[in-house]
Amino acid sequence: GQQVMQIPQYQHVQEGEDFTTYCNSSTTLSNIQWYKQRPGGHPVFLIQLVKSGEVKKQKRLTFQFGEAKKNSSLHITATQTTDVGTYFCAGPGGGSQGNLIFGKGTKLSVKP
Amino acid sequence: DAGVIQSPRHEVTEMGQEVTLRCKPISGHDYLFWYRQTMMRGLELLIYFNNNVPIDDSGMPEDRFSAKMPNASFSTLKIQPSEPRDSAVYFCASSFGAGLVTEAFFGQGTRLTVV
Repeated sequence: GQQVMQIPQYQHVQEGEDFTTYCNSSTTLSNIQWYKQRPGGHPVFLIQLVKSGEVKKQKRLTFQFGEAKKNSSLHITATQTTDVGTYFCAGPGGGSQGNLIFGKGTKLSVKP
Repeated sequence: DAGVIQSPRHEVTEMGQEVTLRCKPISGHDYLFWYRQTMMRGLELLIYFNNNVPIDDSGMPEDRFSAKMPNASFSTLKIQPSEPRDSAVYFCASSFGAGLVTEAFFGQGTRLTVV
């Protein structure tokens, strides 16, 4: 079935360094969503990208959707300790409509 | 709105026992998802409903797992009999979709431990 691959699995950075996580699909996605899960918490929606080549920003976070709508990235500038958590991309599954398939996530740790 | 409400928050049970997890979606949402999260497998979609109808249950691991949505405000995920490998955090999520899946709102999750 539809799979969304995400890399890296883990990322350790020094506070103030940048961070990027990448999401790839073997098929074209109609849209892609990004979520953040704090340690011990639940996934929380960050953003949805729909258009080819779309770029959206939320303060220090920049989200991109590839031109072919098969890949996406999340970039955090100057990480802070509050950025700690696991970042997931999610896309619609193949076959039946309406389902939401998550990548394995990138776990970010930030050293103060 | 209080968000998606799951109960119980924690469940410890013995192998072979029946376990029932409960979920109340956000009012007005027409999609409801059940996910299982483990370190090894990440967030797995088990089943999802649209307007109370199960649409895709291909993620349900075995016949021991069953899910129901008797009305728009309640869903259950049942495991009978439970096994230690079922230990995980189970999330319920709901969303409002109108042709294009929109953001999913997750509950706090149920941490299940089967001993």
